[in-house]
Amino acid sequence: GAVVSQHPSWVICKSGTSVKIECRSLDFQATTMFWYRQFPKQSLMLMATSNEGSKATYEQGVEKDKFLINHASLTLSTLTVTSAHPEDSSFYICSAGDYLSSYNEQFFGPGTRLTVL
Amino acid sequence: GNSVTQMEGPVTLSEEAFLTINCTYTATGYPSLFWYVQYPGEGLQLLLKATKADDKGSNKGFEATYRKETTSFHLEKGSVQVSDSAVYFCALLLGGATNKLIFGTGTLLAVQP
Repeated sequence: GAVVSQHPSWVICKSGTSVKIECRSLDFQATTMFWYRQFPKQSLMLMATSNEGSKATYEQGVEKDKFLINHASLTLSTLTVTSAHPEDSSFYICSAGDYLSSYNEQFFGPGTRLTVL
Repeated sequence: GNSVTQMEGPVTLSEEAFLTINCTYTATGYPSLFWYVQYPGEGLQLLLKATKADDKGSNKGFEATYRKETTSFHLEKGSVQVSDSAVYFCALLLGGATNKLIFGTGTLLAVQP
């Protein structure tokens, strides 16, 4: 299957700093990328959907000024957590889909563990 | 609203035991249903899917049947192996133009030798 990578796999930062997480589709062009957040023992919660070259669509309750999403190319999307606070500590997972050729299938990255001190 | 409910874990089984992980859903319209598996330290992988009522998805010995009358998509395997130890997520994809996946909370399966 298609491969999606995330970088970094884990990050620890101080409160008030910003952190950028990258999501890359390695062997296919991702027309759409999704960002999820996962709390311990809870399901994945969709944060936003981004289509290449367009602004991201955020789910209700997700602060778009805090979680900046950029999808500037067909192989790369970034999530920047701005002015991070301890409550932003979580597991962030991206997924990517090529909806021109593989309708309704998403390929997931391995996730990024963010810890804010 | 749209939601997925799956049995809480952890589920602990001995090798070669029969596995069932229950999943029920609530959705408007006609969703597609999925099971994803997450092995330790890895991302989610699609295990199997079904796109319409009475479809049976199968892969690696796992099966699940889309039951519209009971709004269920239970995951089964006749004989589990230690290598099946992972977290299993049931999910639905809303129909229409959206490609949003709605996940259950995940069920940890631990298979002991």
